[in-house]
Amino acid sequence: NAGVTQTPKFQVLKTGQSMTLQCAQDMNHEYMSWYRQDPGMGLRLIHYSVGAGITDQGEVPNGYNVSRSTTEDFPLRLLSAAPSQTSVYFCASSETGTSYGYTFGSGTRLTVV
Amino acid sequence: LAKTTQPISMDSYEGQEVNITCSHNNIATNDYITWYQQFPSQGPRFIIQGYKTKVTNEVASLFIPADRKSSTLSLPRVSLSDTAVYYCLSGGYKLSFGAGTTVTVRA
Repeated sequence: NAGVTQTPKFQVLKTGQSMTLQCAQDMNHEYMSWYRQDPGMGLRLIHYSVGAGITDQGEVPNGYNVSRSTTEDFPLRLLSAAPSQTSVYFCASSETGTSYGYTFGSGTRLTVV
Repeated sequence: LAKTTQPISMDSYEGQEVNITCSHNNIATNDYITWYQQFPSQGPRFIIQGYKTKVTNEVASLFIPADRKSSTLSLPRVSLSDTAVYYCLSGGYKLSFGAGTTVTVRA
């Protein structure tokens, strides 16, 4: 049981480049979310999904796109990377959608230069 | 997003009990209070959840008064490995983590 798998673990981008952060879960969870964590700060919600085909914005959605074509996958796309997007990105999934029992991935550390 | 307030940091020594109090004045009637733990370079990990009164598991206890406007996470007999950031949350699937409480345990 792999849980929540994020790839890549590390990435360096140049300003203006685009890329997709991958997130996959094998627990058949309906709820999935993307967070970013800046140094010394808590996690901020970027986008979330309550099921395949359904996504919505969180606190800090600008500059990011998501889609949810399958239950398992929830990729996060950076459209045109900016230095302000340098952060650690976490993907999480939950069966119930309540604050209980979210499983987090190990994170992707992104640096935009 | 549901908002909570907790201390920025706490220091302790091995073997002591650590109590972290979280304020959630605007908690909704149906919301649970949940605590997560995060070690450096890792994602948060669920610790405990409660609705009212007291909940205890193998890791911690959670005390919630009748008015539910605050809660206290209690970590008994902490060790160096309990050094982490602890987050108090309320609400549903749109989790709001805040800055958390950095607990540092010293030998």
